[in-house]
Amino acid sequence: QVQLVESGGGVVQPGRSLRLSCAASGFTFSSYAMHWVRQAPGKGLEWVAVIWLDGSNIHYADSVKGRFTISRDNSKNTVYLQMNSLRVEDTAVYYCVRDRFNGSGKTPGYWGQGTLVTVSS
Amino acid sequence: QSVLTQPPSASGTPGQRVTISCSGSSSNIGANIVNWYQQLPGTAPKLLIYSNNQRPSGVPDRFSGSKSGTSASLAISVLQSEDEADYYCAAWDDSLNGPVFGGGTKLTAL
Repeated sequence: QVQLVESGGGVVQPGRSLRLSCAASGFTFSSYAMHWVRQAPGKGLEWVAVIWLDGSNIHYADSVKGRFTISRDNSKNTVYLQMNSLRVEDTAVYYCVRDRFNGSGKTPGYWGQGTLVTVSS
Repeated sequence: QSVLTQPPSASGTPGQRVTISCSGSSSNIGANIVNWYQQLPGTAPKLLIYSNNQRPSGVPDRFSGSKSGTSASLAISVLQSEDEADYYCAAWDDSLNGPVFGGGTKLTAL
């Protein structure tokens, strides 16, 4: 069965950096696009970034463009989210999500349990 | 403010039929498939409906989805108390180059 385990969350000061990781298992990792989606406390879902199979196709939400970088290591079945210049408004639970379809990147499908990032001075 | 528009709340009595609407534009719902997610209290979201009207295995058939033009809807034919949750619609947006979500609808079983 699909398993996604996020790690790397925590409390960080504004302007600092944090790197999230997501370890995947239970499927052929290199065949699926991977997303990061976040949810601020008490708020709705906000898509953050997607990376296609070999990392050649990447897209970001405007709110994080230029500050966040998504990457993947298919040899380690892991996707990462490097978050720089963090802001208070980046405080959220960050979910790692596998796409629903093999080879596509437009349908977040299977969700991890999330990791909480708190940006506060 | 979310790109897709959903009512913030919906309610019904157990056994009743409930629908949740989702409105978008030509760059998202009008051009791409719609997906629905269910988020039970304190848990991660779960894909409930994909490709407008397809249910993943394990999702009860009382849940159904439909799409027409730039709008979509989720229907629960026979509401059960365990269906109390937040529901989100989503679709890829060709202008933003990413999936966009509705603001979510909190469903209450009275």
